[in-house]
Amino acid sequence: TQLLEQSPQFLSIQEGENLTVYCNSSSVFSSLQWYRQEPGEGPVLLVTVVTGGEVKKLKRLTFQFGDARKDSSLHITAAQPGDTGLYLCAGAAYSGAGSYQLTFGKGTKLSVIP
Amino acid sequence: DSGVTQTPKHLITATGQRVTLRCSPRSGDLSVYWYQQSLDQGLQFLIQYYNGEERAKGNILERFSAQQFPDLHSELNLSSLELGDSALYFCASSRAGQGNTIYFGEGSWLTVV
Repeated sequence: TQLLEQSPQFLSIQEGENLTVYCNSSSVFSSLQWYRQEPGEGPVLLVTVVTGGEVKKLKRLTFQFGDARKDSSLHITAAQPGDTGLYLCAGAAYSGAGSYQLTFGKGTKLSVIP
Repeated sequence: DSGVTQTPKHLITATGQRVTLRCSPRSGDLSVYWYQQSLDQGLQFLIQYYNGEERAKGNILERFSAQQFPDLHSELNLSSLELGDSALYFCASSRAGQGNTIYFGEGSWLTVV
């Protein structure tokens, strides 16, 4: 069973601060995705990283895939209250018959205080 | 709006009952996935269908079953419901059998009383 550990589990910061959340596994993934979920809604895809060492930027969010494709980080610069939510990472691994299975971490619950 | 539609949005039912959750995938998506999300377990993969056939199975209980119809919509059937089955049930879809990028619906909130 592939497990994804996310840390920290909870994070409460002031508006304007920077933060980094981590997603770690002992397994290798073909790709890794980050989602953001607001209460009562479905997760919304933010980014997919595929290549080891890949860095992607989405405005104030920077995503990095580890060289060995086992871990990833999400860095938010100058956090805003609108960044509040549950951040989920999900690793994709080939499960046979042309299919990939996603394994989700339990998420990091971020609160940005105005 | 992800394009994945789930009904009902909220459902309250008694223990021992049976419910059916429905999902319409994004237009053109052949794969449908079902996930269960509870506070303590996070997002748990239940089952995947691809073009009408079961493709992968996760932590799905024997009391639960699913199917994907020729028009590609899917239903998740939950029977002999227990209090612990209370959770958010998400449907997601992807373009092909490869689950690299999937898009989630808004979920069906099930409360078992």
